[in-house]
Amino acid sequence: RKEVEQDPGPFNVPEGATVAFNCTYSNSASQSFFWYRQDCRKEPKLLMSVYSSGNEDGRFTAQLNRASQYISLLIRDSKLSDSATYLCAVASYNTDKLIFGTGTRLQVFP
Amino acid sequence: NAGVTQTPKFQVLKTGQSMTLQCAQDMNHNSMYWYRQDPGMGLRLIYYSASEGTTDKGEVPNGYNVSRLNKREFSLRLESAAPSQTSVYFCASSERLAGGDEQYFGPGTRLTVT
Repeated sequence: RKEVEQDPGPFNVPEGATVAFNCTYSNSASQSFFWYRQDCRKEPKLLMSVYSSGNEDGRFTAQLNRASQYISLLIRDSKLSDSATYLCAVASYNTDKLIFGTGTRLQVFP
Repeated sequence: NAGVTQTPKFQVLKTGQSMTLQCAQDMNHNSMYWYRQDPGMGLRLIYYSASEGTTDKGEVPNGYNVSRLNKREFSLRLESAAPSQTSVYFCASSERLAGGDEQYFGPGTRLTVT
């Protein structure tokens, strides 16, 4: 089983839709969680960190479920510009490394 | 403030040739990383450097060597390129090792080995 798993998609949604992605992780000692956004042929960029209490940034909401070992990303009122690949990343203090999922591709259409 | 820069942006090598990928960051970060990204495989860590003067192997180090030249620069060397090393290579940096710190990525180097 991979340490960090994501549904590769693609998720094809119309503008204005709400879409959610999950990312599961296998290491129960994981302590830090992130969502990155990667546009086609570009580098990954941090979208948001995921805190235990969850966090929200505009149309984006990230949640952590430690009991089931997954993080989620909710995008409300999808825009065409949200089309990208969303990578989750998980780190544990005992490994000092950030493990990335393979990404979930989102395509928002008019 | 350029962030993380990488050179070259593109490179084509023949099997057996060698090359060095350069990476520099201007954010005074302690930790630096080299990843490769292949379709369906995600980002895989090749080598990392927790601080100036130290380097450690990541998930896929075979066929690569690294040098942490100073706090700013972290280079990746392919001694004898193989077609399996065709990939996109990203350098990244963070203030500290992965536990809790955001990583900033460079624009990537697209390498093709024929």
